[in-house]
Amino acid sequence: DTEVTQTPKHLVMGMTNKKSLKCEQHMGHRAMYWYKQKAKKPPELMFVYSYEKLSINESVPSRFSPECPNSSLLNLHLHALQPEDSALYLCASSQGRTGQQETQYFGPGTRLLVL
Amino acid sequence: GNSVTQMEGPVTLSEEAFLTINCTYTATGYPSLFWYVQYPGEGLQLLLKATKADDKGSNKGFEATYRKETTSFHLEKGSVQVSDSAVYFCALSGGESGGYNKLIFGAGTRLAVHP
Repeated sequence: DTEVTQTPKHLVMGMTNKKSLKCEQHMGHRAMYWYKQKAKKPPELMFVYSYEKLSINESVPSRFSPECPNSSLLNLHLHALQPEDSALYLCASSQGRTGQQETQYFGPGTRLLVL
Repeated sequence: GNSVTQMEGPVTLSEEAFLTINCTYTATGYPSLFWYVQYPGEGLQLLLKATKADDKGSNKGFEATYRKETTSFHLEKGSVQVSDSAVYFCALSGGESGGYNKLIFGAGTRLAVHP
């Protein structure tokens, strides 16, 4: 099973709202990723968690706040977003073996619209 | 730094035509190479991968061979179907030391197959 699940599938929020995106995997993977994908573009890496610790933050604005409560779950908390933050948000996971060239498995994404 | 270059699309083919999508890369060391596919409105799915030179990845009739001498990983399929219409991303992973990896994506190639 190589399934990564994401909820919700769609989200519409105003610029003053607070919302959260959720990602879950039960493959025993220890690395989890958040990506942002704009239309007709490849995914852009936002955050990487390795063994529940934040390893990479690609200079993402503080209105995006990641959280990894346990090895199976990854959240992305959203606050005071801008319309240009509207995009498809993808979660991915990989085994987390040090020094190995791993395969990332992606979820179906959450399509976010900020009004 | 590492980079991936894909042929620009869209690629438009008739059903049962032969498909080639070119992908070349620049990388230090020995990256793993991947093809991901994204169907309309969905997340990325791993299509195939190769982890060392001369490896051939294959899945669902698609194939790609890791050519170190030409730094290429071209995607091919002998007979495309309408259901293959999607965006195809070539990507490389160089392996990291921290228990995760970073994928470098090409720009993506949109394939449209008509009956």
